[in-house]
Amino acid sequence: LAKTTQPISMDSYEGQEVNITCSHNNIATNDYITWYQQFPSQGPRFIIQGYKTKVTNEVASLFIPADRKSSTLSLPRVSLSDTAVYYCLVGEGNTGGFKTIFGAGTRLFVKA
Amino acid sequence: EADIYQTPRYLVIGTGKKITLECSQTMGHDKMYWYQQDPGMELHLIHYSYGVNSTEKGDLSSESTVSRIRTEHFPLTLESARPSHTSQYLCATRRAFSGANVLTFGAGSRLTVL
Repeated sequence: LAKTTQPISMDSYEGQEVNITCSHNNIATNDYITWYQQFPSQGPRFIIQGYKTKVTNEVASLFIPADRKSSTLSLPRVSLSDTAVYYCLVGEGNTGGFKTIFGAGTRLFVKA
Repeated sequence: EADIYQTPRYLVIGTGKKITLECSQTMGHDKMYWYQQDPGMELHLIHYSYGVNSTEKGDLSSESTVSRIRTEHFPLTLESARPSHTSQYLCATRRAFSGANVLTFGAGSRLTVL
């Protein structure tokens, strides 16, 4: 499984765009990049997944450069309710292994 | 959306008691997982299952055991609970997405051992 590195924490203000970058230098050819969000006392929730270039859904955008050694989760115009821990995971291809390991994640604090 | 259920949501018990945390899903997913998480700390994988009659230990050593007799159920058991077992236990299933698999989590079971 590819190891990921994310900032431990980030602060932002309501209405700002937040970008969280994840490094994954040893990503494999068939690996996908998946981001989860976790609120206190809840299980993580899937946000977005991508393989290359850019992916956008109603919640976030995911930017992946051509070398795929990093990725950036972009949250547009955050609100207080976006305060959570965000996890970047690499792997999980449909033919890949089954162990899903979460790292420490990035704690995002959104202030009023 | 997610049909994965964990019971009990909260449990307070005394040391030495045997407890079973239930996890059930109605989606027919083969792969299921148990994670342990202390407040404000990382998620640790403690058990996972490929399917019926298949269980594996995760990366964090745990005194708990699991069974997978039916696809829908993946219960976790502690034979003799201790205060060190106090934690939140999260069950998840793995489903295929457009590109790769993603996990869907239950609401969790918060265990307190006195």
